[in-house]
Amino acid sequence: AAGVIQSPRHLIKEKRETATLKCYPIPRHDTVYWYQQGPGQDPQFLISFYEKMQSDKGSIPDRFSAQQFSDYHSELNMSSLELGDSALYFCASSLEGLGSSGANVLTFGAGSRLTVL
Amino acid sequence: TQLLEQSPQFLSIQEGENLTVYCNSSSVFSSLQWYRQEPGEGPVLLVTVVTGGEVKKLKRLTFQFGDARKDSSLHITAAQPGDTGLYLCAGDLSGTYKYIFGTGTRLKVLA
Repeated sequence: AAGVIQSPRHLIKEKRETATLKCYPIPRHDTVYWYQQGPGQDPQFLISFYEKMQSDKGSIPDRFSAQQFSDYHSELNMSSLELGDSALYFCASSLEGLGSSGANVLTFGAGSRLTVL
Repeated sequence: TQLLEQSPQFLSIQEGENLTVYCNSSSVFSSLQWYRQEPGEGPVLLVTVVTGGEVKKLKRLTFQFGDARKDSSLHITAAQPGDTGLYLCAGDLSGTYKYIFGTGTRLKVLA
């Protein structure tokens, strides 16, 4: 079965550079979520999109932006990178109400590891 | 402010022991999920609970959702080294597309 695909898996950037992460959700899933997970931390919700519109925002810095395209893939753009941005970035997708219980059930990608030097 | 607090944060036990992990909040969640995460990998869903008081079993794992849908517990019976990992609860806040993770419990089961 198709899973959530994230690219690149690993990315190394210098401070003040820009990075773009991509996420390809499971086919037919209409919601995409982005999370940031620092070393030893739990995943922090950044932003979500439902049907290509931003639906909710979490602790996403102003230097970051994201969008969901017509084919439902999503990109997370990060500018003026700081050392503290080094983390695992996860994307997850869901189909609203897909779970047998009617709950949103997220499927996560393997993550993109960003290292800022 | 952390919406979902998990306890304990770290747990190291011997193979065959039982353990319980708690996930607590002052907020009400539409649903609550438990995930297990291996280092460098994405979280993998274990179970979803939706109804207050609901109990679900997955082999040696038993999950319970609190009556008020503000808390949950994960009980593992006869833990095995393969159970080692980071256990995360995550909640779906009512009426939002915010899906919040708990603080995590790092479990290590020693052979």
